[in-house]
Amino acid sequence: DGGITQSPKYLFRKEGQNVTLSCEQNLNHDAMYWYRQDPGQGLRLIYYSQIVNDFQKGDIAEGYSVSREKKESFPLTVTSAQKNPTAFYLCASSWRIANEKLFFGSGTQLSVL
Amino acid sequence: RKEVEQDPGPFNVPEGATVAFNCTYSNSASQSFFWYRQDCRKEPKLLMSVYSSGNEDGRFTAQLNRASQYISLLIRDSKLSDSATYLCVVNGPNNNDMRFGAGTRLTVKP
Repeated sequence: DGGITQSPKYLFRKEGQNVTLSCEQNLNHDAMYWYRQDPGQGLRLIYYSQIVNDFQKGDIAEGYSVSREKKESFPLTVTSAQKNPTAFYLCASSWRIANEKLFFGSGTQLSVL
Repeated sequence: RKEVEQDPGPFNVPEGATVAFNCTYSNSASQSFFWYRQDCRKEPKLLMSVYSSGNEDGRFTAQLNRASQYISLLIRDSKLSDSATYLCVVNGPNNNDMRFGAGTRLTVKP
C-alpha cells in the first residue's frame, strides 16, 4: 500500500540531546513537509522540500534541521537549540509544492525527559 | 491578523443538527482552500477541497467568499462520528506551502 510512514510514534529527548524523526513516503511525491502541532493550536510549518537536495525554512525552523538526500525520505532533526521541543510532529507530502492535497503520516509525539 | 483564523469552539450539538463553521484568511491572492478533519492525536485527513462555485459532498457543503475572504463548512444531519476538529487550510503567500487554522472542535451528542 502506498503511504507515508513516520517513526517512532513516541520519542523522548533528554536535555541537550539531538533526536531525529523519520519520514518515508512511497507515493512518488516531489514535495514533503514537516509541521509542528501544539495542544489547541493549528499546524505550523517547520521546513519543506520541493525536490531532492533542496529544502526551505518554514515559519519556525530555528532549532531544527532537515535533509532530502532521497525523494522518498525527509528526516527531521530536533537539535538541542530547540528549547521547547515537546509537541506533536507531522510529516506530509504532496505531488508538487502547494495547492495540492496533503498526505500525512500518523505523527510523532516528542516529549522532553 | 493571523493568516488563517477559525472560531475554536467548541461546538456542542445534538445528533441531527446542522452546524456551520467559518474561516477567514488574510492573503487575498490565495487560490487553494481545503477543509481537513483531525481526530484527537491523529493526523489530519482531507475532508474536501473548496471550489469557487461552492461544492457539496453528501452532508457536507463548502463555500468560498473571495470578496470577504472567508470559507465555510456546513454539516447537515450531524452524526456522532462527525465529532472531531475541523481545520481550515489555505495556501500561503509565497504559494509554497499550506497554512492551517487552529481548528474548530465539534462534539456531536446523542
